[in-house]
Amino acid sequence: EAGVAQSPRYKIIEKRQSVAFWCNPISGHATLYWYQQILGQGPKLLIQFQNNGVVDDSQLPKDRFSAERLKGVDSTLKIQPAKLEDSAVYLCASSLAGTSWETQYFGPGTRLLVL
Amino acid sequence: AQSVSQHNHHVILSEAASLELGCNYSYGGTVNLFWYVQYPGQHLQLLLKYFSGDPLVKGIKGFEAEFIKSKFSFNLRKPSVQWSDTAEYFCAVNADNAGKSTFGDGTTLTVKP
Repeated sequence: EAGVAQSPRYKIIEKRQSVAFWCNPISGHATLYWYQQILGQGPKLLIQFQNNGVVDDSQLPKDRFSAERLKGVDSTLKIQPAKLEDSAVYLCASSLAGTSWETQYFGPGTRLLVL
Repeated sequence: AQSVSQHNHHVILSEAASLELGCNYSYGGTVNLFWYVQYPGQHLQLLLKYFSGDPLVKGIKGFEAEFIKSKFSFNLRKPSVQWSDTAEYFCAVNADNAGKSTFGDGTTLTVKP
């Protein structure tokens, strides 16, 4: 079974530039999550999708971050414009139905460095 | 809001030593609890989880964790660690009726051969 795919794996940009990350979840998984993991901290949920609808985006900085999940499969997360403090690993995860006891399956992450 | 605290940031052990990693959460209602592990160069993956029933849960590679509701704790244990257990360990809690997880800041375990 293929896992969660993410690209790119690494990205270096200058502040005020824009960047986009892509995620392809496990086939059949209805729920998709984007996390931000700053060095030395645990993953922090940015947004959760159920199919192509948003379940929770309370911690998404909406002035600069946006995400979409068209057709309920792949998802993209965009930052525009980027700030130095956005340097982090961006993790995508998926689960079958999004219930509170389900295992989340994580991708390898995209490591972003903002200079 | 729910929160998770992992008290040990970095633990160093010799092989065959016993391991206990602390995890405490703050939330007064029903919780589902998880330990995830990230081995060097690999993805985050599930080690074990508790959502109901026996509060002592067993996971992969000989790990276990005990949910103590009165202490709001879900500590991870292993009686005898191996060099291959070197990894970062994250405790997570889901307290809402949805899959949203709150993670602790992780504990880095280094096992010396």
